[in-house]
Amino acid sequence: AQKVTQAQTEISVVEKEDVTLDCVYETRDTTYYLFWYKQPPSGELVFLIRRNSFDEQNEISGRYSWNFQKSTSSFNFTITASQVVDSAVYFCALITFDGSSNTGKLIFGQGTTLQVKP
Amino acid sequence: EPEVTQTPSHQVTQMGQEVILRCVPISNHLYFYWYRQILGQKVEFLVSFYNNEISEKSEIFDDQFSVERPDGSNFTLKIRSTKLEDSAMYFCASSEVGIYGYTFGSGTRLTVV
Repeated sequence: AQKVTQAQTEISVVEKEDVTLDCVYETRDTTYYLFWYKQPPSGELVFLIRRNSFDEQNEISGRYSWNFQKSTSSFNFTITASQVVDSAVYFCALITFDGSSNTGKLIFGQGTTLQVKP
Repeated sequence: EPEVTQTPSHQVTQMGQEVILRCVPISNHLYFYWYRQILGQKVEFLVSFYNNEISEKSEIFDDQFSVERPDGSNFTLKIRSTKLEDSAMYFCASSEVGIYGYTFGSGTRLTVV
C-alpha cells in the first residue's frame, strides 16, 4: 500500500528562521513521483515541486530546497529565511506506477501547518 | 498559463438536495480527477476519469456520487442527496498523460446545511 506521512502537524517559527518540513513515504513500486503543494489560507493548492524516483538530486529554488533520499524514503522541504507569506499548510504527495497502468491518483500526507511570526 | 476552472467557488445546499460541481479542465488534457478535503484534514482522492469512463475510484466515492463529461469540455461531479458530512472543499484536477501537467483548480467549497 502507498502512504505519505507528515509527522509534524504544526510548526511555528519566527521570521528569518530556517524551517524543514518532513515527509516520509511508503511504496513498493520502483517508479513514482513525489510532490509538494502549498495551501494558503485562501484554500487553493499551489504546486511547488515534482520529483521522480530516479532523480535523487537535491533541488533549490530561491529560498526553497528539497532533499530526496530513497534510502530513508524521505522527501524533505526546507525554507530558508522564512517570511510571514510562507505561512500556509504544506502537503507532500505521492503518485506510483504499477508498471501496467497509472490512474494518476495522488496520495497526500496529512499536511503541516507552518506559522511564521514577524 | 493554462488553468483548471471550477465553478462555483462556494455553494451552500440543503441536506438531501442534489448538487453539481463543475470543472473545465485544460483543453489538451486527457485525465480528469476529483479530490475532497474536509476542513482541517488532508486532501483525499475521489475518482479518476479517462477515455469517458471511471478508471479508479476510492471507497468515499459511493453510489451518491457520479461524474460526467457531458460536452467534451466540462467535467462534473454530482452528489445525488447531500449529507452534512459532504461539506468540504472539492478540487478538480487534470493531466496530459499520467502525471504530466497535473493541475488543480482552485476548488469549490461546499457547505451542506
